[in-house]
Amino acid sequence: QVQLVESGGGVVQPGRSLRLSCAASGFTFNNYAMHWVRQAPGKGLEWVAVISNDGSNKYYADSVKGRFTIFRDNSKNTLHLQMNSLRTEDTAVYYCARTVTTSAPGFFDYWGQGTLVTVSS
Amino acid sequence: DIQMTQSPSTLSASLGDRVTITCRASQSVAPWLAWYQQKPGKAPNLLIYKASSLESGVPSRFSASGSGTEFTLTISSLQPDDFATYYCQQYNSYSPTFGQGTKVEI
Repeated sequence: QVQLVESGGGVVQPGRSLRLSCAASGFTFNNYAMHWVRQAPGKGLEWVAVISNDGSNKYYADSVKGRFTIFRDNSKNTLHLQMNSLRTEDTAVYYCARTVTTSAPGFFDYWGQGTLVTVSS
Repeated sequence: DIQMTQSPSTLSASLGDRVTITCRASQSVAPWLAWYQQKPGKAPNLLIYKASSLESGVPSRFSASGSGTEFTLTISSLQPDDFATYYCQQYNSYSPTFGQGTKVEI
């Protein structure tokens, strides 16, 4: 069965960096685009970034552009999100999610359980 | 970015009620619209994709329709497991966006 397991969350000071990871299993990872979606405490869902199945195309939300980098290692079935220059408003649960496309926009058919990132001094 | 607006933000209902949630887009996104259910502390769960296609395993009491910029999600007979928050999401662009959510409560 499809599984997405995030890790790497924690408490970090403003301006610092953090790297999230998402381990995928149960499907052919390199056939699917992958996304990060976040949810601030008590708030709605916000799309963060997408990477195409082969890693050649990446898109970001304006709120994280220039600070966050999405990348993947298809040999290890792993998705990452490098988060630099973190701000208090980046505090959220971060989910990795799969879309049933290789690069085109799509809906999210599988989600991980999420990892909490808290940016606080 | 395409803005998605759901109404109502909160919906109070009883078991067995028929409930309808509306989602409006700031520009046409049809048919690239999905609906999700989220329970506290859990990841969202896909209910509907391509505006009206029911995801495998989702109960048939859930249905959806819409075109252009206006979409609806209907639960025909509210069950205890349905009390949750529902989100619409457009995927017509490379910057997908969600509605703000509709909480269905008792």
